[in-house]
Amino acid sequence: QQQVKQSPQSLIVQKGGISIINCAYENTAFDYFPWYQQFPGKGPALLIAIRPDVSEKKEGRFTISFNKSAKQFSLHIMDSQPGDSATYFCAASDSGAGSYQLTFGKGTKLSVIP
Amino acid sequence: KAGVTQTPRYLIKTRGQQVTLSCSPISGHRSVSWYQQTPGQGLQFLFEYFSETQRNKGNFPGRFSGRQFSNSRSEMNVSTLELGDSALYLCASSTYPSGTGELFFGEGSRLTVL
Repeated sequence: QQQVKQSPQSLIVQKGGISIINCAYENTAFDYFPWYQQFPGKGPALLIAIRPDVSEKKEGRFTISFNKSAKQFSLHIMDSQPGDSATYFCAASDSGAGSYQLTFGKGTKLSVIP
Repeated sequence: KAGVTQTPRYLIKTRGQQVTLSCSPISGHRSVSWYQQTPGQGLQFLFEYFSETQRNKGNFPGRFSGRQFSNSRSEMNVSTLELGDSALYLCASSTYPSGTGELFFGEGSRLTVL
C-alpha cells in the first residue's frame, strides 16, 4: 500500500519558470511533511518541511502548500534554475509513533532547461 | 562537522552471498535509520535504531538485519543475497528524540548482486 503518492514522475521546466510537484497521503496520523532533494550520486537532503498547523511555508524560491482536508501538499519552485535539476521526494511521518520513520513518495525527476 | 559516512560506497556480490554495510552518524546523533532505494520502489524504510535498540522495522524479510553499537555507529547485514537486493542502501542519522524530524542522509552504499 503506497501511503504517499507523488506526481508527476518527471518534469521539464524552462529556466525562470515555476516547477510544481504534488503529493497526496492517506494516513491521517501523519504530521510532518518534508521535501528532500537528491542529486545524482548523493543522498537525499532536506529542502523544506511543513507541519499541518500552517497552510503554506516559504523558504527563498521554495514554497510548500498544504491542504489538510484534501490530504495533499505540493512543492512550488519559483524562478527555476538549471541547478535545481534533481530528483525531489515528498515524505511524511507520524511523530506520535515515537519514530522519525519517513514514508516517501516515488520521486519526481526535475530537469530545468536553459 | 562531518556528515554521515557510509562504507563501502560500491560493492558487487553474487547471489547467495552475504554483505555487511557500515554507517557512522553525525557526531552527537544517537539515532540511525536505513533505507533501500531502487528505481522501481523508491525509498523504503528498513530499520531505525536509537541507543543500540531497534525501534522500528520495515516490511523486509528476515534476511535483512541490523545493529547499532554504543558509539552510535550502525551496520546492516543482508544474508543469502538475491538479484532483487541490488539497490542503493542509505543510512540517515537524526537528533531523535529531541530533533525536528529531519533525517541527515549519507551518500549510500550501492550494492550490485550478480
